[in-house]
Amino acid sequence: AQSVTQPDIHITVSEGASLELRCNYSYGATPYLFWYVQSPGQGLQLLLKYFSGDTLVQGIKGFEAEFKRSQSSFNLRKPSVHWSDAAEYFCAVGAGNNAGNMLTFGGGTRLMVKP
Amino acid sequence: DTEVTQTPKHLVMGMTNKKSLKCEQHMGHRAMYWYKQKAKKPPELMFVYSYEKLSINESVPSRFSPECPNSSLLNLHLHALQPEDSALYLCASSQDGRGSMGYTFGSGTRLTVV
Repeated sequence: AQSVTQPDIHITVSEGASLELRCNYSYGATPYLFWYVQSPGQGLQLLLKYFSGDTLVQGIKGFEAEFKRSQSSFNLRKPSVHWSDAAEYFCAVGAGNNAGNMLTFGGGTRLMVKP
Repeated sequence: DTEVTQTPKHLVMGMTNKKSLKCEQHMGHRAMYWYKQKAKKPPELMFVYSYEKLSINESVPSRFSPECPNSSLLNLHLHALQPEDSALYLCASSQDGRGSMGYTFGSGTRLTVV
């Protein structure tokens, strides 16, 4: 079964600083990988996804992520954080077959932004 | 239309009540999902419907009963819930059963069981 680990429960960065959120996955084949963001009391918004091809993927809101097969990682980055980026971030892996697919989430990283 | 719409947004119910959560999408997606999210936790999968057939039930108690009347609608019928069932219930959809094009989530229904 697939699993996802987000080692950092909380991260605090200053506005304008760079950001990297870590994600490690466990899956036997190449998984579908996703990053979602969730503001308090809201649903999940997709930031970006990786299925195959170029290992550096660009997403919305200036985010990017790099798939590194050798490290089983899919870290999320942003060069300059804005106060509005404060939220919960979830890395997820999608795996399964045509009978049904499962999206499994990591535990989440709460990002706080200092002015 | 690129949204998943969930109603109601908030629901308070007693332990003897029967209520239903509704989820709707008009993107032509053929797989739909129910997730449960407790505070400060990641979403946990409950059910998967693929091409209107229940394909995954993650050992969810029978007091939760899903229904997929057609390819655009997904319901979650609730009966005799417990206070620990209070959570954010998220609906999602994907283009196919493999989720190969990603998953779109609704804003959720905040359920409180009293």
